[in-house]
Amino acid sequence: GAGVSQSPSNKVTEKGKDVELRCDPISGHTALYWYRQSLGQGLEFLIYFQGNSAPDKSGLPSDRFSAERTGGSVSTLTIQRTQQEDSAVYLCASSLQDLSTDTQYFGPGTRLTVL
Amino acid sequence: AQSVAQPEDQVNVAEGNPLTVKCTYSVSGNPYLFWYVQYPNRGLQFLLKYITGDNLVKGSYGFEAEFNKSQTSFHLKKPSALVSDSALYFCAVRDRGSQGNLIFGKGTKLSVKP
Repeated sequence: GAGVSQSPSNKVTEKGKDVELRCDPISGHTALYWYRQSLGQGLEFLIYFQGNSAPDKSGLPSDRFSAERTGGSVSTLTIQRTQQEDSAVYLCASSLQDLSTDTQYFGPGTRLTVL
Repeated sequence: AQSVAQPEDQVNVAEGNPLTVKCTYSVSGNPYLFWYVQYPNRGLQFLLKYITGDNLVKGSYGFEAEFNKSQTSFHLKKPSALVSDSALYFCAVRDRGSQGNLIFGKGTKLSVKP
């Protein structure tokens, strides 16, 4: 079956512009997670959704970052007034539920470059 | 607090030799442990996980990992490395009963030379 998909695969933007990154989880998965991977760094947790609710927003680095999920499916991560330090690969993952035993399945990522 | 350590930034192995990628963890309770692999310009791909039961877990592509509670380790192993195994490997942990994000190590780059 189809895995997690993300779009766009690459995004180049100018400093100060807003960007929207999209994630389509595996069908039937109720939990959705956003992570960020900077060059040479590990994975940094941003936010997760259980259904349309975000129980944990603690990882969002600033108020320029926001995310929403509609219909328990697609999620959009929005970065306003982008800065160069926002350049990274943004990874989305989904799992069947949010049980601690559940495996998270990752999409291919969106590579964001802020000039 | 939960944490994962991957003490080696890079592991170099000759093709056909056994490989080990190390991972140690720290959780307040009992852990669930995961290994993922990332090929260049790709997302993370799930390899295997330890939930309960047998300490030796077998996963995709001939990989296995051994849970050692006394040493708080979950090392990834493969008896005979392939050049195609060259990639970035991530260990991750979750405390039993916790929700939300996995806690990832910083990753270990595995290089398998012919």
